[in-house]
Amino acid sequence: IVMTQSPATVSVSPGETVTLSCRASQSITTNLAWFQHKPGQAPRLLIYDASARATDTPARFSGSGSETEFTLTITSLQSEDSAIYFCQQFNKWPPWTFGQGTKVEIK
Amino acid sequence: QVQLVESGGGVVRPGRSLTLSCAASGFSVNSYGMQWVRQAPGKGLEWVAFIWFAESDKFYADAVKGRFSISRDTSKNMVLLEMNNLRADDSAIYYCARGATEFDAWGQGTQVTVSS
Repeated sequence: IVMTQSPATVSVSPGETVTLSCRASQSITTNLAWFQHKPGQAPRLLIYDASARATDTPARFSGSGSETEFTLTITSLQSEDSAIYFCQQFNKWPPWTFGQGTKVEIK
Repeated sequence: QVQLVESGGGVVRPGRSLTLSCAASGFSVNSYGMQWVRQAPGKGLEWVAFIWFAESDKFYADAVKGRFSISRDTSKNMVLLEMNNLRADDSAIYYCARGATEFDAWGQGTQVTVSS
């Protein structure tokens, strides 16, 4: 299953809202996770089952979607949200597959 | 506190071997499926290997099948990745992760460079 994310990079001002897209090449129902990855750090699970927040994920992060179309929305963007965000499908494994990531830059 | 720490990376010549270690704390590696995932320079994440509860239940990406082997060292609460016959395209940051569905914990990674 190929996961495609868009856009590749987005630049947003603090306090604004950004929406990231993840598309699956076939239906994965809601078996999708979103991660935040900062340079030199371990990736961090934000969202699982497409819309459930992981422990300690702030409420400004929300996930939605099903089948092949998914979005991660970050509201009230903060400087600490600067990172690469990637999606992962776990509907049909192995293999587990990942999107190529979206880089969120804070203006 | 759940933590994963990878080690064992380095520079190695093509055709040689290397074993990566992932030390877990805050949970038992016997109780979870455990993964290795890699990221080559400028590329996205690529799943490499998975070990399920039973030692016999292991899966590998086609790119590493027959060359890499995943295992557990339960006495040390670690997961290992033995990499043989390394190639230049195996160069990447290798991450250890926990989970069989969503990967809910990751390490910071260890760099492997295959170069002559």
